[in-house]
Order: sequence, then C-alpha cells, then structure tokens
Amino acid sequence: DAGVIQSPRHEVTEMGQEVTLRCKPISGHNSLFWYRQTMMRGLELLIYFNNNVPIDDSGMPEDRFSAKMPNASFSTLKIQPSEPRDSAVYFCASSRDLLATQYFGPGTRLLVL
Amino acid sequence: GQQLNQSPQSMFIQEGEDVSMNCTSSSIFNTWLWYKQDPGEGPVLLIALYKAGELTSNGRLTAQFGITRKDSFLNISASIPSDVGIYFCAGFPNFGNEKLTFGTGTRLTIIP
Repeated sequence: DAGVIQSPRHEVTEMGQEVTLRCKPISGHNSLFWYRQTMMRGLELLIYFNNNVPIDDSGMPEDRFSAKMPNASFSTLKIQPSEPRDSAVYFCASSRDLLATQYFGPGTRLLVL
Repeated sequence: GQQLNQSPQSMFIQEGEDVSMNCTSSSIFNTWLWYKQDPGEGPVLLIALYKAGELTSNGRLTAQFGITRKDSFLNISASIPSDVGIYFCAGFPNFGNEKLTFGTGTRLTIIP
C-alpha cells in the first residue's frame, strides 16, 4: 500500500519567493495534518483537516502560511513570501479519523536562503 | 504547545544491550503512541496503546500504557545497528482532544 506521499522532498529557495508543498494522504483516510519539525521546537502541528475541511489552524505561525485541501486526495501548504526562519522539515500525516493513529510522509526539507 | 517529557534525551549503548525510555505528563492521556524517525525520513509508528495498563510487544519492542494514564515506556531488547534513530512518544491528551502531542524525542546511538 502506498503511504503518505509528499513532494518535493527537498526545496531550496530564496527569501521572498513563494513555496508550495504538496501532500497526498493514504487512500481512505479522512484526516490530514501538516507539521513542521526543527531542532529548536521539535514537531509542531500547523493545521489539520477533516473531510477536506480545515478544523484548526491555530498552529500556523503567520499569515504568510496557508493550506488548502481541495479534495480527499490532495493538500497543499503554501508559504508566501518565504523567510529564512521558515527553513525546516515539513511533514504531512493522515489518519482514518481525527483520533486515529497518524501515518507520516517522508517530509519536505525546506531551505530558505 | 504542550509537549510530553521524554527521557533520556539521548542514549549511547553497545550493540546487544537493552534500551529503556519513557514519557511522562502532568495530565491524563487516553492514547499513547511510539514512533521512530530515521535520518531523512518521517516518523514511523512502532506501537500504539489504547488502555491503561496495556502492555504490547512488536518484535523486540515492548511498550506499556501507565496505569495512571500519565506515562508510558518503551523497551528495546538486544539492540541492533538498525535501531539507531530518534524515538518519539505521542498521545492524545484527554478525551475529545484531537491534537496529537509529541515528546521531545530520545536519540539512540549504538556504539560498534
């Protein structure tokens, strides 16, 4: 079975540029989560969706961050404009429902210069 | 946000040794999960615990859901080189709280 798929795996961009991260959840999973991982702050929950609807975006650091889930098999996390402090690993995870076990993708390693 | 207290932060052991790590919280959790993260990869689920007192094994791994609902431990027996990585505990803090809370991680290094 295919797990959670994320793209790109690596992204290097310059400050001020727009960055779009993509995620395809496991088929049949109704909940999708975006996390950010840094050495200083560990794993942080940014936003999560249930049945394609955003439930809680209180973890999104600033208005520069936005996320969408137009259908059950695709979600994007966008940073516009990007800043060096956004450099981190961004993970997408999915689960059958909000309280079920979450399965993580391989992550997107973002470096903003 | 809230984080679970995970210890130790790092471990250096020799191949073949047993490993023990734990997670504690000041509040009650109703689900405990243990994940392992290899370098350059996402966390992978090892064991899930759903009931206080539950003891579950997965090969050389054994984890328990503390009876007070405020702690959990993970043991690895007879460690091998591929056990190297970062181990995270995670849990749902209380009934109806749907935000998974993560521990700070235990970095396991195996000395040849």
